[in-house]
Amino acid sequence: DIQMTQSPSSLSASVGDRVTLTCRASQTISSFLNWYQQKPGKAPKLLISGTSSLQSWVPPRFSGSGSGKDFTLTISSLQPEDFATYYCQQSYSSPPVFGPGTKVDLK
Amino acid sequence: EEKLVESGGGLVQPGRSLRLSCAASGFTFDDYAMHWVRQVPGKGLEWVAGINWNSGSVAYADSVKGRFTISRDNAKNSLYLQMNTLRPEDTAFYYCAKSGLYASGSPFPSGDWFDPWGQGSLVTVSS
Repeated sequence: DIQMTQSPSSLSASVGDRVTLTCRASQTISSFLNWYQQKPGKAPKLLISGTSSLQSWVPPRFSGSGSGKDFTLTISSLQPEDFATYYCQQSYSSPPVFGPGTKVDLK
Repeated sequence: EEKLVESGGGLVQPGRSLRLSCAASGFTFDDYAMHWVRQVPGKGLEWVAGINWNSGSVAYADSVKGRFTISRDNAKNSLYLQMNTLRPEDTAFYYCAKSGLYASGSPFPSGDWFDPWGQGSLVTVSS
């Protein structure tokens, strides 16, 4: 199975900060990488599919990039509603595997 | 609006069985593969099982293979997870999730995603 890692595991940031989260696959997965946002007590929500395709509800301050093994999720100007845990997930092959998550909290 | 609602969770003793259900609405249920994903409270996400649109193909995580069975009833717009021989390490929130790709023959083809997710159902395995 493909293994996924994320860094950092947590980060503290302030409103307005530019934040970059990293996700790495154990083998090349082309651009088959999804990102999910999860807030406490809630189900995960699809944020980005196929490395860089934002869902309709996602504001343009979010962006995704990368290919092969290394991917990033960037929030250009962190807003209060963005404090959450973010998971990447490979969709190159079955089984689908999630990364361990990056928790973004308020500094 | 696409919506998924899980039910059937609860407290169960080790070695016993439990069946989860997921009611779908707001989309053509039999056009999409469906999945179960679980999350130990405070921990990360683990895909559990998937089933293609017509039940012709299923897939399981190694951790549940031989103990859990995923099924669906397209006439009732419902997804199920039969969990047998439950273990304490199966304690988790169980989410059902819809596949992003239309009418795939595989439970999880390349490029797929999970959207939307249900609100989750907590299964606690303890004596």
